[in-house]
Amino acid sequence: RKEVEQDPGPFNVPEGATVAFNCTYSNSASQSFFWYRQDCRKEPKLLMSVYSSGNEDGRFTAQLNRASQYISLLIRDSKLSDSATYLCAVNTATNKLIFGTGTLLAVQP
Amino acid sequence: GAGVSQTPSNKVTEKGKYVELRCDPISGHTALYWYRQSLGQGPEFLIYFQGTGAADDSGLPNDRFFAVRPEGSVSTLKIQRTERGDSAVYLCASSLGQGQYFGPGTRLTVL
Repeated sequence: RKEVEQDPGPFNVPEGATVAFNCTYSNSASQSFFWYRQDCRKEPKLLMSVYSSGNEDGRFTAQLNRASQYISLLIRDSKLSDSATYLCAVNTATNKLIFGTGTLLAVQP
Repeated sequence: GAGVSQTPSNKVTEKGKYVELRCDPISGHTALYWYRQSLGQGPEFLIYFQGTGAADDSGLPNDRFFAVRPEGSVSTLKIQRTERGDSAVYLCASSLGQGQYFGPGTRLTVL
């Protein structure tokens, strides 16, 4: 089993839709979690940190479920500009990030 | 402010050659990380520096890979006797606490 797993997608959604991605992790001792956005041929950009109770930033909401060992990212009112690959990352005890393979989102006009 | 910068942006080399990739972290960031990313995959950890010392080099694939950060700022990733399988985007990230910020990467192609 991979340490961090994501559905690769693609998720094709119309503008204005709400879409959610999940990411599961195998190490129950993991303490911090992140969502990154990566555009084609660009570097990952930090989108949100996810701590114990989750957090919200505008149209984006991240949640952590420790019991089931997954984190989620919810995007409301999708925009064309949200089209990208969304990577989840789990921080280890030595501070290195373990990434999933990413979920591709394509928002259609 | 200035983000993480990496040079060169692209590097094409021949199998067996030596390459150096450079990373300039965000000013004041004490932690520096190297990752590499292949097509369709997430970034894969290589090495982590806290200050000048390598705190975790468990991701380096073999002894052809080496990295230094002599003054606790700029870092160089060195790859000896390159192989075609080393072709990837090499990403550098820096951090002051939680959250790592990535540079634009160096796309390495080994012919």
